[in-house]
Amino acid sequence: EAAVTQSPRNKVAVTGGKVTLSCNQTNNHNNMYWYRQDTGHGLRLIHYSYGAGSTEKGDIPDGYKASRPSQENFSLILELATPSQTSVYFCASGDSGNTLYFGEGSRLIVV
Amino acid sequence: SQWGEENLQALSIQEGEDVTMNCSYKTYTTVVQWYRQKSGKGPALIILIRSNEREKRSGRLRATLDTSSQSSSLSITGTLATDTAVYFCAMTNSAGNKLTFGIGTRVLVRP
Repeated sequence: EAAVTQSPRNKVAVTGGKVTLSCNQTNNHNNMYWYRQDTGHGLRLIHYSYGAGSTEKGDIPDGYKASRPSQENFSLILELATPSQTSVYFCASGDSGNTLYFGEGSRLIVV
Repeated sequence: SQWGEENLQALSIQEGEDVTMNCSYKTYTTVVQWYRQKSGKGPALIILIRSNEREKRSGRLRATLDTSSQSSSLSITGTLATDTAVYFCAMTNSAGNKLTFGIGTRVLVRP
């Protein structure tokens, strides 16, 4: 069974609206990550977390917030969504060797 | 960016052929991970190679790491149609807390 689950899997949002992408992991990993994937850019790190209560900025954090209320859950929040945030978002948990285990992705379209 | 020449490629090969893909990186690393992403799924680790290994094999996969030229390669022998995917190399940053991905190589294996 899936160890990293994301919701929603697909979302259409309006410009200026708030979007929350949720991620749950059953791997009991301390580290969790949010990436976005766009053609020509590969996977780019938005935010990550070392454990409950911690969030860190990744390489492209502007326009995004993150929340880690528990070991299992890590959310990505777009307070004011823009069309440039149309993308596929991946959540991952990471083991002590920094190997990542990804969810199946959340496709977001901002119109 | 931690990457050198970006490795965006698209390869189309016949089933049974061998394929090799490369990535080069700018900053020092002791571990390179290779991930495979099938259509509609998240990336998944397929092989990991450390700086003291130079070469690592796993089934039909072979990874190399040359720290002097700061490059890594992934070879797949006797490809199958099920090897069709995008392949990413990834490296851990010097602080050991973030994994950065290359742009990826798209491989299409024709039956």
